[in-house]
Amino acid sequence: SQTIHQWPATLVQPVGSPLSLECTVEGTSNPNLYWYRQAAGRGLQLLFYSVGIGQISSEVPQNLSASRPQDRQFILSSKKLLLSDSGFYLCALGGKGRYGYTFGSGTRLTVV
Amino acid sequence: GENVEQHPSTLSVQEGDSAVIKCTYSDSASNYFPWYKQELGKGPQLIIDIRSNVGEKKDQRIAVTLNKTAKHFSLHITETQPEDSAVYFCAAINNAGNMLTFGGGTRLMVKP
Repeated sequence: SQTIHQWPATLVQPVGSPLSLECTVEGTSNPNLYWYRQAAGRGLQLLFYSVGIGQISSEVPQNLSASRPQDRQFILSSKKLLLSDSGFYLCALGGKGRYGYTFGSGTRLTVV
Repeated sequence: GENVEQHPSTLSVQEGDSAVIKCTYSDSASNYFPWYKQELGKGPQLIIDIRSNVGEKKDQRIAVTLNKTAKHFSLHITETQPEDSAVYFCAAINNAGNMLTFGGGTRLMVKP
């Protein structure tokens, strides 16, 4: 069965520090992968999605970037965090032709 | 592109009562409609879904109905329990899409 791993679960980082969040999947190949952000009490904001290695589409301009160095690995990064980057970050897995998503457990990022 | 609207944004019910959450979509080509439940601090989990070739689907206390003509679908929870308290998201996608379009979410509170 397909599984998705996301870490860390919580992270407190100072303003101006770098960020790297990792998401890995198992039990599938060539999946679509997505990064979402959720502000407190708000909806799901799509940040990036990837349909294959090295293929990244950005949905909103921001202080973040994404990379997909391997088929089952999706990384969210920032060179310098802003206070506004705080939020709950979710990675999701969707197979081509498989409409539903499987979400990771999320990372709570607090920028101080 | 697709646009999904979800109502209400918050819903408070007494334990044992029923809860109904409604979503409308804009793209008549959408043919898959999942519902996700997100508990506090966790990633969304798929609870039920429906495809456009059926009008209703039921799984124990939850059911989803779809009206393709009116382009709306609803989640019905009967005999609500405190553990049903969560944020619920509806979504839609079509065959050609790589991404689900999510509604804004509904915070359901079940009072004991």
